[in-house]
Amino acid sequence: KNEVEQSPQNLTAQEGEFITINCSYSVGISALHWLQQHPGGGIVSLFMLSSGKKKHGRLIATINIQEKHSSLHITASHPRDSAVYICAVEGGATNKLIFGTGTLLAVQP
Amino acid sequence: GAVVSQHPSRVICKSGTSVKIECRSLDFQATTMFWYRQFPKQSLMLMATSNEGSKATYEQGVEKDKFLINHASLTLSTLTVTSAHPEDSSFYICSAGQTYISYNEQFFGPGTRLTVL
Repeated sequence: KNEVEQSPQNLTAQEGEFITINCSYSVGISALHWLQQHPGGGIVSLFMLSSGKKKHGRLIATINIQEKHSSLHITASHPRDSAVYICAVEGGATNKLIFGTGTLLAVQP
Repeated sequence: GAVVSQHPSRVICKSGTSVKIECRSLDFQATTMFWYRQFPKQSLMLMATSNEGSKATYEQGVEKDKFLINHASLTLSTLTVTSAHPEDSSFYICSAGQTYISYNEQFFGPGTRLTVL
């Protein structure tokens, strides 16, 4: 079993829909990252959080440390949001990241 | 946020040649740099962690003589794939990290796609 699990693996949505991507982890962490990878391959860091909730534009990330669970929400989704969204956790004394397998999101116009 | 660049973005080479990939933090000094590789439709896999002025720490299963990492300064790390073979074809991504009092942060480069013929 992977230490970081994401669901769903694939998600197709219509433009304007509210989207939720989930991440569960089984290890102790110091922080959780949400990353976005576009088809060209480049990775953008969306959020780093260790508690509570963060919001940036149409993106919201929440984390529940007790339940070892995080969610990434996209409000009013747009085709340009189509990408792979990756959850990664950072644990222990080092700042190595453990990655989830990603969620491929396709937003159709 | 901070900017990390990689060069080249794409490289095609013949089997047996060596390829050097640069990773630079453009507007900050990175205490640590990480090198990842990613195969198609798979997640990132950490190859090694490097700190400026010291030897890189390689993950289990990564050949340090095959993937040479040099971290000469706080803004530059290089990954050299020596005697590249087709199975080394992959997407290589670096990230540069900063350690603050209460947290660590990583900034990712745009990646380098290596194709070995």
